[in-house]
Amino acid sequence: GEDVEQSLFLSVREGDSSVINCTYTDSSSTYLYWYKQEPGAGLQLLTYIFSNMDMKQDQRLTVLLNKKDKHLSLRIADTQTGDSAIYFCAVLNSGYSTLTFGKGTMLLVSP
Amino acid sequence: DVKVTQSSRYLVKRTGEKVFLECVQDMDHENMFWYRQDPGLGLRLIYFSYDVKMKEKGDIPEGYSVSREKKERFSLILESASTNQTSMYLCASRGTGAYTDTQYFGPGTRLTVL
Repeated sequence: GEDVEQSLFLSVREGDSSVINCTYTDSSSTYLYWYKQEPGAGLQLLTYIFSNMDMKQDQRLTVLLNKKDKHLSLRIADTQTGDSAIYFCAVLNSGYSTLTFGKGTMLLVSP
Repeated sequence: DVKVTQSSRYLVKRTGEKVFLECVQDMDHENMFWYRQDPGLGLRLIYFSYDVKMKEKGDIPEGYSVSREKKERFSLILESASTNQTSMYLCASRGTGAYTDTQYFGPGTRLTVL
């Protein structure tokens, strides 16, 4: 089945850019998602990208997709302390409407 | 506004008890999901349902069952709770329209089994 890998931890200073990386194994994946989880809360969809796109920008968020290398990244510009959270990469599986999630990257933003 | 609600935020049960976790969505979504989340393991799919009375096993169904009698409600059942089922349980729902339908999550239930 699909496998999604992420680094577990990232620490940045407020105002810097953050880049969270993700790799996946199924080249037929059509939609790829980034979710954010704040402490004690459920997951909130941040953005998604379709597999025929290379890049998608949404305010401070930029998603880059390298389909050849099966690599997805999320860039957060001007990172704020409120961006501290766990970020999950997820890939839509073929067949049923299920997602495979990475283990999540904990982003810590220090003042 | 979109809403997925879970019956409890925190729950403490004893080993061997039967436990019901309830999830309700108000978006008329066909698909509903139960995940558990553990540190270092991420989210793992337990069961999902793509229609009323339909269910499919996810990656870790052992020790769990589910019930979907109405479209808006999806219940996770621990027939005989064990300490290794202590975890955060997340419910989600998703429509079957275009692929851009978002999977919406509830706030989670933190279950402790003593």
